[in-house]
Amino acid sequence: EVQLVESGGGLVTPGGSLRLSCAASGFTFSGYTMNWVRQAPGKGLEWVSSISRDGTYIHYADSLKGRFTISRDNAKNSLHLHLTSVRAEDTAVYYCVRDHGLLLPFDLWGQGSLVTVSS
Amino acid sequence: EIVLTQSPGTLSLSLGERATLPCRASQTLSSNYLAWYQQKPGQAPRLLIYGAFNRATGIPDRFSGSGSGTDFTLTISRLEPEDFAVYYCQQYGSSPKTFGQGTKVEIK
Repeated sequence: EVQLVESGGGLVTPGGSLRLSCAASGFTFSGYTMNWVRQAPGKGLEWVSSISRDGTYIHYADSLKGRFTISRDNAKNSLHLHLTSVRAEDTAVYYCVRDHGLLLPFDLWGQGSLVTVSS
Repeated sequence: EIVLTQSPGTLSLSLGERATLPCRASQTLSSNYLAWYQQKPGQAPRLLIYGAFNRATGIPDRFSGSGSGTDFTLTISRLEPEDFAVYYCQQYGSSPKTFGQGTKVEIK
């Protein structure tokens, strides 16, 4: 089955760190750009970060100010997002999303992983 | 950064009615790289339309996309019960790949 499954979410205190993971299956993971998109409770979608097929090209939303790091392991079909210096406004569901560039945008989404930043 | 504006924020419509959802970009989108997503409560978004008018795999033909340049529209020809949801437009031709703020289609 073609799917993306996120893990690693949970409660984290302000200023803390957390690592989200996404396990891909059913497709050639190394053939796709991958993204993280987040959605704060009751709010809209916000693109967070993307990483190219081989990890060469990485982009982040300006609002993150260098606090997040995206990475991937094509041998293990996995995507990661390391969150540091988290703030209350980072509370959101984080989605792992497949991207086929200009050919086909965000066509496969995981179920999401909730990150709650609170003391 | 390209800003996408979706207005109104909520559309109240009846079953069987036609829904017209606009999306306006702050600058011309290259090659109409505009997509539409549907999101139901508690679920991840689902790709409906890409390239402004191409339906994604498995999307019913009551969903159609149109427009070019800065003005785009998602049309649902006749609303079915499962169509009441939030719809987002997204431009994916330039980074960051921004989303509109969404339009909720609710039952009148």
